[in-house]
Amino acid sequence: DAGITQSPRHKVTETGTPVTLRCHQTENHRYMYWYRQDPGHGLRLIHYSYGVKDTDKGEVSDGYSVSRSKTEDFLLTLESATSSQTSVYFCAISEWNTEAFFGQGTRLTVV
Amino acid sequence: RKEVEQDPGPFNVPEGATVAFNCTYSNSASQSFFWYRQDCRKEPKLLMSVYSSGNEDGRFTAQLNRASQYISLLIRDSKLSDSATYLCVVNSGGYQKVTFGTGTKLQVIP
Repeated sequence: DAGITQSPRHKVTETGTPVTLRCHQTENHRYMYWYRQDPGHGLRLIHYSYGVKDTDKGEVSDGYSVSRSKTEDFLLTLESATSSQTSVYFCAISEWNTEAFFGQGTRLTVV
Repeated sequence: RKEVEQDPGPFNVPEGATVAFNCTYSNSASQSFFWYRQDCRKEPKLLMSVYSSGNEDGRFTAQLNRASQYISLLIRDSKLSDSATYLCVVNSGGYQKVTFGTGTKLQVIP
């Protein structure tokens, strides 16, 4: 299995609080992604990164920010969590035109 | 039109049956294609890549039709363990934006 870990694996937080999810890889892959997965919507891209300090928005980026200060780490921040951000979050990594490998996911509940 | 579309199913098939899924994509410049499998509450995992010439891996066969812009996955001799959601994935190149279909749910019945 690809060396990709997400932390935390589960989190419950209150509306309005900031939350940061971490994705760490040991594969030295250039591309990293954050997805959310909700029933009926499948996987939706939040943000992605194509190198250190190089990031871009996906289709559902509102309310989320990301940072990538090192090749191995990609952070997803919810500045002020809302109940609509309750979801399962997956991080993925890939190289150019290759398959993506996923972390095990983070289950986030905003109450 | 969605970039990648799949029939959500569910497909309920008996053990031993052959089942096929299709996935259509809208970007004619798409460069690479994959099928992923996702078990309930788990991360998606690569099942197989899809090549222009078609490819086979045991009971699984994947094909690409660029003219009609679809890919297919055929599962022969279905097993109970094949029950999962199958995701179609398209890579349109550029900064490697990878687009996932919403998945097709397969339930193999004893």
